[in-house]
Amino acid sequence: SSELTQDPAVSVALGQTVRITCQGDTLRTYYASWYQQKPGQAPILVIYDKNSRPSGIPDRFSGASSGNTASLTITGAQAEDEADYYCNSRDSSDSHVIFGGGTKLTVL
Amino acid sequence: QLQLQESGPGLVKPSETLSLTCSVSGGSISSRHHYWGWIRQPPGKGLEWIGSIFYTGSTYYNPSLKGRVAISIDTSKNQFSLTLRSVTAADTAVYYCVRVGRSGTSDWFDPWGQGILVTVSS
Repeated sequence: SSELTQDPAVSVALGQTVRITCQGDTLRTYYASWYQQKPGQAPILVIYDKNSRPSGIPDRFSGASSGNTASLTITGAQAEDEADYYCNSRDSSDSHVIFGGGTKLTVL
Repeated sequence: QLQLQESGPGLVKPSETLSLTCSVSGGSISSRHHYWGWIRQPPGKGLEWIGSIFYTGSTYYNPSLKGRVAISIDTSKNQFSLTLRSVTAADTAVYYCVRVGRSGTSDWFDPWGQGILVTVSS
């Protein structure tokens, strides 16, 4: 079955740039979307359809895709960006959805 | 502004049926541009897609739920619902209802309800 793999944890110094990745064979066909989840809160969408940002999401968040890897880049990470980040994609059935296991981002 | 709100019992006994409803406000559930869905998150774990439904009643379900799941929609009430049969402790999770955006190459979930914790225990 299809799956998406994320690094469990990533850290970044305040103000620096960090890239969070999501790997899976389905990403050769489908684009990833990305979610930010802070403790005790529902996830919020930060990037969709490869590199579109919903209104209200800062432009320091961007998405990209190459081969079997999708990435979320935060340029100039802020303290409030510390959170869990999840990717999702459609699976090979073209109708089902899968999530990555999540990446815990720490801003130092 | 579109808002979603989950409702239902917070405690379900093993082998029984979990039933949740999502009430949508600030927009129509009969939109031809969106699906509606359910996602869950066991305590301390990641996100799992449960399924999605279109206003016509067309559905897609996570095959891992092995036929235990059903999602329905009531356009007259602007609500959609989740039913999960034969629950076990492994179904204990926060359940979120979401609006689903779809293109030819991706699915995205926005916005999310606040979530409701459902515990399966006797």
